[in-house]
Amino acid sequence: DSGVTQTPKHLITATGQRVTLRCSPRSGDLSVYWYQQSLDQGLQFLIQYYNGEERAKGNILERFSAQQFPDLHSELNLSSLELGDSALYFCASSLAVSTDTQYFGPGTRLTVL
Amino acid sequence: QQQVKQSPQSLIVQKGGISIINCAYENTAFDYFPWYQQFPGKGPALLIAIRPDVSEKKEGRFTISFNKSAKQFSLHIMDSQPGDSATYFCAASRSSGDKLTFGTGTRLAVRP
Repeated sequence: DSGVTQTPKHLITATGQRVTLRCSPRSGDLSVYWYQQSLDQGLQFLIQYYNGEERAKGNILERFSAQQFPDLHSELNLSSLELGDSALYFCASSLAVSTDTQYFGPGTRLTVL
Repeated sequence: QQQVKQSPQSLIVQKGGISIINCAYENTAFDYFPWYQQFPGKGPALLIAIRPDVSEKKEGRFTISFNKSAKQFSLHIMDSQPGDSATYFCAASRSSGDKLTFGTGTRLAVRP
């Protein structure tokens, strides 16, 4: 167990809908990363937050947004969902921006029908 | 320039054998190279990592070999066990705390 928690574990929704994925980092970790894992694109970095501030952005779609709250948990919001958004979404955390090791959560499997 | 290429896509090894997975990168700014292990239904878990200032790092049965001039690194699993059956991802990042760029993964099956 990495200490990173993600909810929900599974999410099934319809095209055009909006969902929110939640991540709680390991105790004491200030940095949160979001990754998308799909069969055709592999593991892709979406966005990083550090202590509430956005630090880095990957190929995240404009329909997707994220935030990190004062208690350091993070939420990834996906809107106007399309079939191609079906994937595993992982959250990872690390102690600080100067820390190499990222610890991954168990993921949220999103299915868009 | 951010790509990390991984091979093979899948690998079958007999119990007790050596599993070898290779990765190559293009971006010379990468300076941290971790390997992650992922079991079905689980998130990736850090297995072992290396920085370019050393050519090899060993932890138990797992060894990373690093060739800076060739921009290649590989994972060797000695005495492979059925419990090692998983998907392995190499990754790279530019600096501490930076985003990880992942390879495409290698599905390893260790036959008893």
